[in-house]
Amino acid sequence: AQTVTQSQPEMSVQEAETVTLSCTYDTSESDYYLFWYKQPPSRQMILVIRQEAYKQQNATENRFSVNFQKAAKSFSLKISDSQLGDAAMYFCAYSIRMDSSYKLIFGSGTRLLVRP
Amino acid sequence: ETGVTQSPTHLIKTRGQQVTLRCSSQSGHNTVSWYQQALGQGPQFIFQYYREEENGRGNFPPRFSGLQFPNYSSELNVNALELDDSALYLCASSSGLAGGGTQYFGPGTRLLVL
Repeated sequence: AQTVTQSQPEMSVQEAETVTLSCTYDTSESDYYLFWYKQPPSRQMILVIRQEAYKQQNATENRFSVNFQKAAKSFSLKISDSQLGDAAMYFCAYSIRMDSSYKLIFGSGTRLLVRP
Repeated sequence: ETGVTQSPTHLIKTRGQQVTLRCSSQSGHNTVSWYQQALGQGPQFIFQYYREEENGRGNFPPRFSGLQFPNYSSELNVNALELDDSALYLCASSSGLAGGGTQYFGPGTRLLVL
């Protein structure tokens, strides 16, 4: 089965603190990529970070970093120095190869609250 | 660089009607994917178009259909609307296999079926 599990429906973090959002996935594919997307109340999905499954090195983008454990099929997102603007729904996803492109499989999301 | 745009932003229809949603892909992208996001859930893949051809389809009935035009913009058509079709419809564009199919999303169309 091709699934993505986000076991934390909601997380809360104090401004300037660090929070980690969890994600596990299940795929038998060898060619895939992993993503975290942010969806604020404005609804538009915004790409936060991407990880190539064939790379062992964890991806980082400024305050955002991932902990990618391929054998465990785990892909968590760490947000450092949390800001009020980080409050949003966060979706974990992986891409599955089709003929000429990829499709995305999403988890159910984690709502992140940031306390001032 | 122009991002992904969608129209309309909101739409209200009644059961049994037909609807067409539109998407303009990001400059330089040749692939458009459509997703349905029900309230409180993650997006579900409907189908994808690559260079004007359907390139894959999710678990959606045939009354969900689409088109891609030579400029790579796309339409999603839904016939015989049902109450469960009420959702946010997201369009995403990408460039074939580049970047593992990294997809960039539009702001979505909120469809309400009464």
